[in-house]
Amino acid sequence: GAVVSQHPSRVICKSGTSVKIECRSLDFQATTMFWYRQFPKQSLMLMATSNEGSKATYEQGVEKDKFLINHASLTLSTLTVTSAHPEDSSFYICSARERAAFNYGYTFGSGTRLTVV
Amino acid sequence: AQKITQTQPGMFVQEKEAVTLDCTYDTSDPSYGLFWYKQPSSGEMIFLIYQGSYDQQNATEGRYSLNFQKARKSANLVISASQLGDSAMYFCAMRVMTTDSWGKLQFGAGTQVVVTP
Repeated sequence: GAVVSQHPSRVICKSGTSVKIECRSLDFQATTMFWYRQFPKQSLMLMATSNEGSKATYEQGVEKDKFLINHASLTLSTLTVTSAHPEDSSFYICSARERAAFNYGYTFGSGTRLTVV
Repeated sequence: AQKITQTQPGMFVQEKEAVTLDCTYDTSDPSYGLFWYKQPSSGEMIFLIYQGSYDQQNATEGRYSLNFQKARKSANLVISASQLGDSAMYFCAMRVMTTDSWGKLQFGAGTQVVVTP
């Protein structure tokens, strides 16, 4: 089945530094990638949607200059948290969609737990 | 506006018993899809079952079945013969159509299920 590899699974960084999270679709072409953020005991909140080769569409209230999304190829999307602060500590998870799989096809990565100290 | 609601924050269920997780939704789109995901403590999102708005029959996948009542706008998940490994957070999600992609998922608040021996 479809697999999305997300790295790193855990990262600790210092306040003010940037962190890059990668999501790769291993056996299919991810025409659309979704990035979510999840606080403990809460639901997944969509941050942005990116289609391959075009700029990401951010949800209301998400700072696009802080959360940079790149989807340069059909198999790779990255989320960079710039100038991270403790309040950015959260669980980030990506989801890739394959064009052909209309009714299903949302394959999730395993998530990245970010801690900013 | 589209909305998806899970009103049960947590449930205890005894091993081998069945459990029903509630999910209601609101949308004006005639075409939509409903999903259930399981999220264990490791954080990965595990796809359980899908129901399309035009599907005539309720979806079933092994021990999981979806009780789809379109007129009531409900899509409850039934887990039969609960196992200890079923302890997890369960999310209901609805595919919300967008103009620039094949649709994004909107998640409910989730229900924490604890299966006891």
